[in-house]
Amino acid sequence: DQQVKQNSPSLSVQEGRISILNCDYTNSMFDYFLWYKKYPAEGPTFLISISSIKDKNEDGRFTVFLNKSAKHLSLHIVPSQPGDSAVYFCAASDNQGGKLIFGQGTELSVKP
Amino acid sequence: NAGVMQNPRHLVRRRGQEARLRCSPMKGHSHVYWYRQLPEEGLKFMVYLQKENIIDESGMPKERFSAEFPKEGPSILRIQQVVRGDSAAYFCASSPTTGEVQPQHFGDGTRLSIL
Repeated sequence: DQQVKQNSPSLSVQEGRISILNCDYTNSMFDYFLWYKKYPAEGPTFLISISSIKDKNEDGRFTVFLNKSAKHLSLHIVPSQPGDSAVYFCAASDNQGGKLIFGQGTELSVKP
Repeated sequence: NAGVMQNPRHLVRRRGQEARLRCSPMKGHSHVYWYRQLPEEGLKFMVYLQKENIIDESGMPKERFSAEFPKEGPSILRIQQVVRGDSAAYFCASSPTTGEVQPQHFGDGTRLSIL
């Protein structure tokens, strides 16, 4: 029962262009969403989050959009840089201060 | 990932042995979470602890796995009588004690290999 899905296992983008990573969820009780970035042999690094009371949150080159009616969120990275190449995970919580449910990840490759 | 410390980084065990994984949360954090990542998969929640209390263990296998977060010292994830299927990366995360939801911050994990 995959409550958080990232349907694209990989994405390749040219340096300087926009990267758009997508995530879908099924549980309407989720109300806090996060994006993490992960390099090989390291732990996930927190990037950005959004509460369900918002539809957009921006931090520098990273913007997360939330569409509650579609149960969909996306992460936009602009401009993309080669150092952004990593696996990106979306995660969701039902705001009980507890567990995160992760998607399967999308491997982003930014080519110079 | 500075702050959440996990050790060892790599652990090799033979089938039937015990594995102990340790996690020290970030300073000021009293919530600890354990996750497991199997190859080619996302992270799966295992257990959520506060000092001396297990809050949610809904992701823990029913047998052989246990976790604790004592009043003093690190959190421990213990796997008894390990089997090949226990080979995975085990990540610990922590978050502060506040009324607001805070992001969890992760350590670099322990890679467990079962021979």
